Formats: sequence, C-alpha cells, structure tokens
Amino acid sequence: ETGVTQSPTHLIKTRGQQVTLRCSSQSGHNTVSWYQQALGQGPQFIFQYYREEENGRGNFPPRFSGLQFPNYSSELNVNALELDDSALYLCATKRVGTGLYGYTFGSGTRLTVV
Amino acid sequence: KQEVTQIPAALSVPEGENLVLNCSFTDSAIYNLQWFRQDPGKGLTSLLLIQSSQREQTSGRLNASLDKSSGRSTLYIAASQPGDSATYLCAVMDETSGSRLTFGEGTQLTVNP
Repeated sequence: ETGVTQSPTHLIKTRGQQVTLRCSSQSGHNTVSWYQQALGQGPQFIFQYYREEENGRGNFPPRFSGLQFPNYSSELNVNALELDDSALYLCATKRVGTGLYGYTFGSGTRLTVV
Repeated sequence: KQEVTQIPAALSVPEGENLVLNCSFTDSAIYNLQWFRQDPGKGLTSLLLIQSSQREQTSGRLNASLDKSSGRSTLYIAASQPGDSATYLCAVMDETSGSRLTFGEGTQLTVNP
C-alpha cells in the first residue's frame, strides 16, 4: 500500500468534455505533483502544488489545471478534452525537504478520450 | 533542460541471471535519483532513492549506483526471477527544475522461467 490513492481508476470521456481526477495522500506529504504517461513513454510533468499554491508547471496548456486542499488531497482538471489526452495520469506526493525524500506515486487513473 | 536516457529499451533474460540497467542524465546538478518499477497499466513503485551525496543504495537483490559527475546511474538486479518482469524507470530531481522529476522512457524487462 503506497498511501497515495487516486480515483477513479478508469474513465472514458468524449472529446470536448471536462474531467476531474482526484488524489489523496498521507499526512505530512505537502508537495503534490501530477504526471501524464502516454503508452510506452515515461511520465511527463504537468504541474506541482505546495501548500495549496502551484509552484511549477510543465509544458501543458492552461486547460490543465489543479487544486490542492489543506487535507493533503488534490485535483487535476482537464477542460475541452482532446483525443491526445488519453493517457495514464499519475499523482505523486512527498514531504518537504528537496532532495531528502523521494516521491510516492498512486496507482493512476487511466483516461480514455473517444 | 534535463534529459534522461535509459538503455536498453527492452531486455529479455533467463531466470537466475544477474543484469544491469543503465540510466544517463545530461545535467549533473541533481538533488537525487530514484528508480521505479511499473507493472503493465499500473502506477509506479519506488525501488531505491539515491541522494546526490551518495554513491549507492541497496535493497535486497537490488543495488543502484550513482556517478553524478558523469551523469550515470545503474540498477543491478541479482539472481533475476520471473516476478521481476516489469518496466523499470529512472527519474532525476535536478536543481534547476525545482522538485519535479524528469523520467527516462524505461527499460522493459522480461525474465523467462
């Protein structure tokens, strides 16, 4: 058990729709990052939140947005879904202390856009 | 911009063999390097974390080394088993990118009985 829980596990959406993915982590893990993993590729960084503020963003358009809550849970929202958004979305959390701690990943949400 | 490369992309070995997976990165100013395992369609399981000041870490049959100056890490798996079959990913956390991880594309390992 990783201590990081993602929901839902699988999701099918239609192009143009909006989706919200959720992640909850263990106490003290106040840094949360989201990654997109296309089939056969390594995960790509979407953005990161620390103390409920976005403090880093990868090369993803503004229709990808997020929230982090005081109870260590977070959300990834994607608007105007495109077929290329089909991927495994991974949430990762860690304690504060850059370099001292590694990330713990959830099991992911498999999003299919049709 | 940090780039991470993993060699080989795929590896198939008979059970019992010792094997080495390679990871290289372009920017040596890293905080740490982490090795993960990923089973098909699943999330990532952390195997080993090496901080930038360390040279190696060991866990059971796994040993990871880090040569920061040359931008290289290796994951050594001793006495491989069919249950080791998975994709192995390395990721670095570098000083210029904050605490985000940059991943390689992984090595897909198959251990045959």
